[in-house]
Amino acid sequence: GNSVTQMEGPVTLSEEAFLTINCTYTATGYPSLFWYVQYPGEGLQLLLKATKADDKGSNKGFEATYRKETTSFHLEKGSVQVSDSAVYFCAQNYGGSQGNLIFGKGTKLSVKP
Amino acid sequence: DARVTQTPRHKVTEMGQEVTMRCQPILGHNTVFWYRQTMMQGLELLAYFRNRAPLDDSGMPKDRFSAEMPDATLATLKIQPSEPRDSAVYFCASGTLVGMGYTFGSGTRLTVV
Repeated sequence: GNSVTQMEGPVTLSEEAFLTINCTYTATGYPSLFWYVQYPGEGLQLLLKATKADDKGSNKGFEATYRKETTSFHLEKGSVQVSDSAVYFCAQNYGGSQGNLIFGKGTKLSVKP
Repeated sequence: DARVTQTPRHKVTEMGQEVTMRCQPILGHNTVFWYRQTMMQGLELLAYFRNRAPLDDSGMPKDRFSAEMPDATLATLKIQPSEPRDSAVYFCASGTLVGMGYTFGSGTRLTVV
C-alpha cells in the first residue's frame, strides 16, 4: 500500500549547519509530495510541495526534489537557524486532488546556537 | 490569516466519560479531516468529509468514536466512552485541493485518566 518513511530523529545540529532529512515513499501511481512542519504546541503547516517528477519545492531556504527513480523527496537546507527547530513531516497525497494525506512519523530537529 | 479553530485546547477526563471535540474549518474549505497524533503511532487519519458528507472513517474505532458535520462551519469528534488509550492530540484540518495544502488547527490535547 501507500506509505511514507522518513529518517528517525531526533536530529541535533549547530546553527549554520547543513540539514538533510531523508524521505522515501511507496505508492501506486505518481502522488504529490509534501513537507509539513510542526512547531511546539501548534498544528502542522505546509512547508513545500512538488507535484510531479523532477519538480523542486522550495520555501524559507528549504528545498526538496521529487525523485521518481529513487522514490524519494529528501528535505535540505544549507544553513539552519535556531528558529528551524521543529518536527518535520513528509507526506504524500492519496485519493486524488481532493484526497487525504499519508504522513511519515516525523523527524524532530533541534538546532543549537 | 484564516485559521482552523479547535476547542477545547486541552481536556482531561476520567475513563468512561464522553468527550466532544469541535472544529471550525476555514470558510470556503469543503474538505475537513480529523487526525490523531501520538508518539507511538505518529499521525493517523481518523475520518474526513467533503461537502459535509463522510468519505472515509475507516481509521476510527467505530464502537466508541463518531464524527459529524452538522453544518459547514462545525465538525465534531466524539468519544464515548473514553479510555486511557485515547489520550493523544487530535487535529482538525481543512482545505480544498490537496495541492494547495491543508490548514491544520492547533489541536486538542486529550488526557483520559
